[in-house]
Amino acid sequence: KAGVTQTPRYLIKTRGQQVTLSCSPISGHRSVSWYQQTPGQGLQFLFEYFSETQRNKGNFPGRFSGRQFSNSRSEMNVSTLELGDSALYLCASSSALDSYEQYFGPGTRLTVT
Amino acid sequence: GNSVTQMEGPVTLSEEAFLTINCTYTATGYPSLFWYVQYPGEGLQLLLKATKADDKGSNKGFEATYRKETTSFHLEKGSVQVSDSAVYFCALIAPRDTGNQFYFGTGTSLTVIP
Repeated sequence: KAGVTQTPRYLIKTRGQQVTLSCSPISGHRSVSWYQQTPGQGLQFLFEYFSETQRNKGNFPGRFSGRQFSNSRSEMNVSTLELGDSALYLCASSSALDSYEQYFGPGTRLTVT
Repeated sequence: GNSVTQMEGPVTLSEEAFLTINCTYTATGYPSLFWYVQYPGEGLQLLLKATKADDKGSNKGFEATYRKETTSFHLEKGSVQVSDSAVYFCALIAPRDTGNQFYFGTGTSLTVIP
């Protein structure tokens, strides 16, 4: 079974731009969560989607948004990028029946200059 | 609120040494507890879990016991190998009606030298 895939793996953007990251969960998984990982803050929860609905949201500004499609693929968008948005963005998927186990993708490394 | 506190690193050990990485938590209700491992350049992998008090999770020689009385979930391994070099994250999940949310510690970097 293929794992969680994230594209692109690396991205360089300029302050003020916007960016869209993509995540394809493990086949059959309907829950997708997003996390931001930085050296200073560790892993912070952004949001969780299940069957195209946002179930849960972390404490991030409205510049961070996401969505999930009918095939469970998910995208997250960050508008008006700031230097502090530079981070590794991790996506994790889980099945509806065993949602305590999350399977992580390799992440997208975003650098904002 | 919910939070996880784990010992700061980095930790450097010689091969075959004993490993302990401390983790304590604060949670409302009855959380499930996890250890995840992140190898260089990769995403997080589930190492072990425990879903109720006194449960012991184990995998690849690593163990951790869910201690409700001390709100702890310390990770241990009797004899580490160079291949165990990675960053280890303690985490909890506090189920809610509106979805599950993971809380992670800040991670502990482990380097094992031959």
